[in-house]
Amino acid sequence: AQSVSQHNHHVILSEAASLELGCNYSYGGTVNLFWYVQYPGQHLQLLLKYFSGDPLVKGIKGFEAEFIKSKFSFNLRKPSVQWSDTAEYFCAVNGKNTGGFKTIFGAGTRLFVKA
Amino acid sequence: GAVVSQHPSWVICKSGTSVKIECRSLDFQATTMFWYRQFPKQSLMLMATSNEGSKATYEQGVEKDKFLINHASLTLSTLTVTSAHPEDSSFYICSARLAASSYEQYFGPGTRLTVT
Repeated sequence: AQSVSQHNHHVILSEAASLELGCNYSYGGTVNLFWYVQYPGQHLQLLLKYFSGDPLVKGIKGFEAEFIKSKFSFNLRKPSVQWSDTAEYFCAVNGKNTGGFKTIFGAGTRLFVKA
Repeated sequence: GAVVSQHPSWVICKSGTSVKIECRSLDFQATTMFWYRQFPKQSLMLMATSNEGSKATYEQGVEKDKFLINHASLTLSTLTVTSAHPEDSSFYICSARLAASSYEQYFGPGTRLTVT
């Protein structure tokens, strides 16, 4: 079945460590890609998005993601995490082939950063 | 930025009663709003797409008679959980699309429903 896959369900890092969260999707055609963050007790916030153009996208709070079309991937990265990055991260995709541009979410990755 | 609010933020109700959850776009008009459900430690599952002035489109497996959606204005969509059961306990999140041609959604803070 077509889906959005996030490979890591739980990640634990120490402060200053580098972060990479994997996201793969299986929808063909043109897609729009998103990473959202949900801090404890708060609502979803958009970290970054890719619609077209430069496949390396920079978002808020020092996050970036790279769209690799050949690998159907949109991995999220941050060179040096902080304790305040502890949150759940969701990759999401929409496009013509997700069913009328509906946004499909991955299962989420829960990140815990140790101080 | 675009702000979406939900009311109430949490609600407890008894089995068999109905609960209404409101989703409002505060500083923009939203022709399309979406309702999601998020179980603990799981992802967001799209329940339905709410279009202003027309019937909502429900995802497969979602009972439209149980989850009534009304999008009466460009800034308000409501989700009513009818005859609630404990298994309906969940986190309900709405989002709004800024414009008909936009692929970007803005999310509300969610409503936690507990059915006892």
